[in-house]
Amino acid sequence: AQKVTQAQTEISVVEKEDVTLDCVYETRDTTYYLFWYKQPPSGELVFLIRRNSFDEQNEISGRYSWNFQKSTSSFNFTITASQVVDSAVYFCALSEATGDYKLSFGAGTTVTVRA
Amino acid sequence: NAGVTQTPKFRVLKTGQSMTLLCAQDMNHEYMYWYRQDPGMGLRLIHYSVGEGTTAKGEVPDGYNVSRLKKQNFLLGLESAAPSQTSVYFCASSYLYMGPEHSTGELFFGEGSRLTVL
Repeated sequence: AQKVTQAQTEISVVEKEDVTLDCVYETRDTTYYLFWYKQPPSGELVFLIRRNSFDEQNEISGRYSWNFQKSTSSFNFTITASQVVDSAVYFCALSEATGDYKLSFGAGTTVTVRA
Repeated sequence: NAGVTQTPKFRVLKTGQSMTLLCAQDMNHEYMYWYRQDPGMGLRLIHYSVGEGTTAKGEVPDGYNVSRLKKQNFLLGLESAAPSQTSVYFCASSYLYMGPEHSTGELFFGEGSRLTVL
């Protein structure tokens, strides 16, 4: 069975601080996909990134960066120089690479960025 | 471009009433999913479909039924609503995977439907 753990329930930072969101996963699959989604206060779910299990290269997109470490089953997400607009709930998710590709979500981490 | 559309957006039901949530996607996606979101629990998969005419149970299927009579629509039904079904419901769709090099693997979500059962 797949499982995604986001141990941090809430994180509060002051604008311009960096914030790192932890994500630890469990799966028996050798090939799988990892995702991060953002849910701003308006409620919609916004896709941020997908990472394949066979590609451990880290990725940077503007102020966002992701650190994938297969050895520790972690896929952490860092927001650099946070802004108020980054305030949201962030979900890490895991999908099998065969069959039905269902996404299993973590419980989410609420990030509050204070001005 | 509509993407994934859910109706209704809000609904209040009394215990024992029935209702249907409609999800429509215009992207010709094979896969469709219904999730529910509850505080502190993330999104949990209720039912899903891998193609027209098919449905399968997810993580929390009890109390719900689904149908996929047309490829673009995925209906979620509550036959006898209970207060425990008060939640925000999200529909999502995705491409049929051809392999990691062919697809982003992204789920496209609707805006959510907030259901309250009194």
